[in-house]
Amino acid sequence: DADVTQTPRNRITKTGKRIMLECSQTKGHDRMYWYRQDPGLGLRLIYYSFDVKDINKGEISDGYSVSRQAQAKFSLSLESAIPNQTALYFCATSDLPMTSGGATYNEQFFGPGTRLTVL
Amino acid sequence: QKEVEQNSGPLSVPEGAIASLNCTYSDRGSQSFFWYRQYSGKSPELIMSIYSNGDKEDGRFTAQLNKASQYVSLLIRDSQPSDSATYLCAVRTGGFKTIFGAGTRLFVKA
Repeated sequence: DADVTQTPRNRITKTGKRIMLECSQTKGHDRMYWYRQDPGLGLRLIYYSFDVKDINKGEISDGYSVSRQAQAKFSLSLESAIPNQTALYFCATSDLPMTSGGATYNEQFFGPGTRLTVL
Repeated sequence: QKEVEQNSGPLSVPEGAIASLNCTYSDRGSQSFFWYRQYSGKSPELIMSIYSNGDKEDGRFTAQLNKASQYVSLLIRDSQPSDSATYLCAVRTGGFKTIFGAGTRLFVKA
């Protein structure tokens, strides 16, 4: 079974609708992230959570909200979807950073993605 | 200046050749550097991480880091058509954010 899962995998919706994307993980990681990916722009961070009670905005949080229901679950909501939110959305997880030899290790592991189209 | 910059490509190499992918970053306090491979429509997959200056080899992949020049690269030896993908450079900055580059598309011609 996949360590990080996302549902749905594909979604087409209309402008103004509320949409929820869900992410679950079995890696036991405390940290979870939501990114969106647009052609030519790479991955941009929407929100991140370091534990259930710690949620932080990323660089493009406007128009989005999140909920960390449990260590293993992190949901992203679009309260009123608009066409420029059409993108590929990825959830990612990471363990607590470990520092060794002057470097800090913090690798992220990604879910399969959700392709969202807002008409 | 973007925090993490990559040439978008496409970079085209013949099968069996060495593919060289480059990435520069702006934060001198950056500590950790990662290369992800992403096939079209799929999620990024971590293939290499490097934390200290020099080279790190793993199979056909070699990551090179030069902190003085703020430069990290990925070499793929004996390139195969299955290596055709977009390669994302990611940098964990001194502010403890992980910033991703926009990626370089690689085509390996059979």
